[in-house]
Amino acid sequence: EADIYQTPRYLVIGTGKKITLECSQTMGHDKMYWYQQDPGMELHLIHYSYGVNSTEKGDLSSESTVSRIRTEHFPLTLESARPSHTSQYLCASSNRGAQQETQYFGPGTRLLVL
Amino acid sequence: GENVEQHPSTLSVQEGDSAVIKCTYSDSASNYFPWYKQELGKGPQLIIDIRSNVGEKKDQRIAVTLNKTAKHFSLHITETQPEDSAVYFCAASPSSGSARQLTFGSGTQLTVLP
Repeated sequence: EADIYQTPRYLVIGTGKKITLECSQTMGHDKMYWYQQDPGMELHLIHYSYGVNSTEKGDLSSESTVSRIRTEHFPLTLESARPSHTSQYLCASSNRGAQQETQYFGPGTRLLVL
Repeated sequence: GENVEQHPSTLSVQEGDSAVIKCTYSDSASNYFPWYKQELGKGPQLIIDIRSNVGEKKDQRIAVTLNKTAKHFSLHITETQPEDSAVYFCAASPSSGSARQLTFGSGTQLTVLP
């Protein structure tokens, strides 16, 4: 089982609030990712990081921002939550090395914005 | 960039029967093809993967086949059990060094009927 954690697991919040979704991994992986998963199941990459101080936007445009100050930590922030942000957010990580392509996922955060 | 198509989107089978999920990819440079299983309320978990230097890989009741010429790969589950019910994702990874690493299919909801 992969050692990657996400908190909170569930979050219900009102419109306009600032929120931060936490993601941590204890595997020492260099690369980390954030996906948004819609009700139709499809995974959409919204952010990724090669390592400390490296962040890039993914395929799906997102109003969220990320930071990578420490290797093990990759938080995602929404400055002003809106109902359109309601979704499941999945964090993943992968290693630089022989198995670099394999991504390990956290359990996800289910966000509901009222 | 890479495009991965997955079929079917939903699949129901009787317990004990076999299930097959198919994916096609567009980038001939892709060389790594993992399959993930996502159970309700959890993040996707890697169940099997295959690299482009082999045509088939098996792990107990699960097997994956790869046809590089046709650019398609398939997941085969034999003797299905109710606990196999989940969403399954295929993915493809281009050659090492790619920023994104994995492109996912749209998912297949597998239901095993008792």
